[in-house]
Amino acid sequence: EAQVTQNPRYLITVTGKKLTVTCSQNMNHEYMSWYRQDPGLGLRQIYYSMNVEVTDKGDVPEGYKVSRKEKRNFPLILESPSPNQTSLYFCASRQGLAGSYEQFFGPGTRLTVL
Amino acid sequence: AQKVTQAQTEISVVEKEDVTLDCVYETRDTTYYLFWYKQPPSGELVFLIRRNSFDEQNEISGRYSWNFQKSTSSFNFTITASQVVDSAVYFCALTPGMGPNAGKSTFGDGTTLTVKP
Repeated sequence: EAQVTQNPRYLITVTGKKLTVTCSQNMNHEYMSWYRQDPGLGLRQIYYSMNVEVTDKGDVPEGYKVSRKEKRNFPLILESPSPNQTSLYFCASRQGLAGSYEQFFGPGTRLTVL
Repeated sequence: AQKVTQAQTEISVVEKEDVTLDCVYETRDTTYYLFWYKQPPSGELVFLIRRNSFDEQNEISGRYSWNFQKSTSSFNFTITASQVVDSAVYFCALTPGMGPNAGKSTFGDGTTLTVKP
């Protein structure tokens, strides 16, 4: 089944404790992206990747890191999480580099930083 | 910078009513794509439709229809004869068509639609 998977689905952590949220897609998609969803703010793009080893900042990259060492994986790293990073995070992928392709989203990761 | 505005934060209708969700966008790109996504209470995000900046033809899919008007920078979504299962958060999104900015996607804040039986 074609899908985007994220792990963990739920995470409660404390300020400053490094964490990684994994994202994997099995559709051989070139493009992957991370978003955060907050009430009243819609989805805001954190980082995206147009190819292996190619990443770029979205609208809200501060406090986050990403890497794209393999085509299928695009982990989101929070080196020193803070309470304002408490949010619902979505990973997405799309088939091609052109903006015409729709995005396929993972199920979301709900992160709470205490 | 591009921007997507969904002015309606919440809409509540009674089943079988028609409802229109508004989406207004700003962009300097000449080639761009507009999308609608649905997020039901279960939380997943589901693609509904895509429109490119050169195609202003309206589209109808069952009870759903979309009206794209470049002159007013709007891409509105109408649900005819709404049903309880249409209750969800709906997002409008904009992506440049090509070049390095084709990676940047901008979403509106979403409209929460509640359809009451």
